[in-house]
Amino acid sequence: GENVEQHPSTLSVQEGDSAVIKCTYSDSASNYFPWYKQELGKRPQLIIDIRSNVGEKKDQRIAVTLNKTAKHFSLHITETQPEDSAVYFCAASSGNTPLVFGKGTRLSVIA
Amino acid sequence: NAGVMQNPRHLVRRRGQEARLRCSPMKGHSHVYWYRQLPEEGLKFMVYLQKENIIDESGMPKERFSAEFPKEGPSILRIQQVVRGDSAAYFCASSRDRGLYEQYFGPGTRLTVT
Repeated sequence: GENVEQHPSTLSVQEGDSAVIKCTYSDSASNYFPWYKQELGKRPQLIIDIRSNVGEKKDQRIAVTLNKTAKHFSLHITETQPEDSAVYFCAASSGNTPLVFGKGTRLSVIA
Repeated sequence: NAGVMQNPRHLVRRRGQEARLRCSPMKGHSHVYWYRQLPEEGLKFMVYLQKENIIDESGMPKERFSAEFPKEGPSILRIQQVVRGDSAAYFCASSRDRGLYEQYFGPGTRLTVT
């Protein structure tokens, strides 16, 4: 089955700097890759997703890139703000299989 | 714009009791997924249901756990004879369709077994 690895587990950046979180997956059939943000005690919120027919997708300060050959995808947050502090999860699915999540990255943005 | 609803938000049960967790999907969504999240860990898939059907229960423990999504009413995750190891946050998510469609999460039920 699918296995998703996520790095780093914790990340601290200065406000205004960029943050990058990377995930690798094992199942070449996976073709849907969402990213979720979870604040302490809250629900995971879908922030961006990418499908395998696209190499990059951007939404304001966040972007996701996908390299299907290398089986990895990354989340990029630019101009980070304190409210970006949260745990971020990547996930992968082939569409007919359950979402498999990474273990999360705790991002701290230091003002 | 009602999102995914879950209740109760917090549930305390003594060992051996039963826990019932409820999930109402977003309007227009007919697919429900249950996940378990242990402290400092990611989300682990448990079961995927459509109305009156269990589609995939590959992540569900074989014993004590069951799920349903009746024709009328919310989806229910039932844990019988709870043990301390069942303490976790249980999230449900819903989607408009399966496959490459976004899943939206409810606020979760935090189960504590004493």
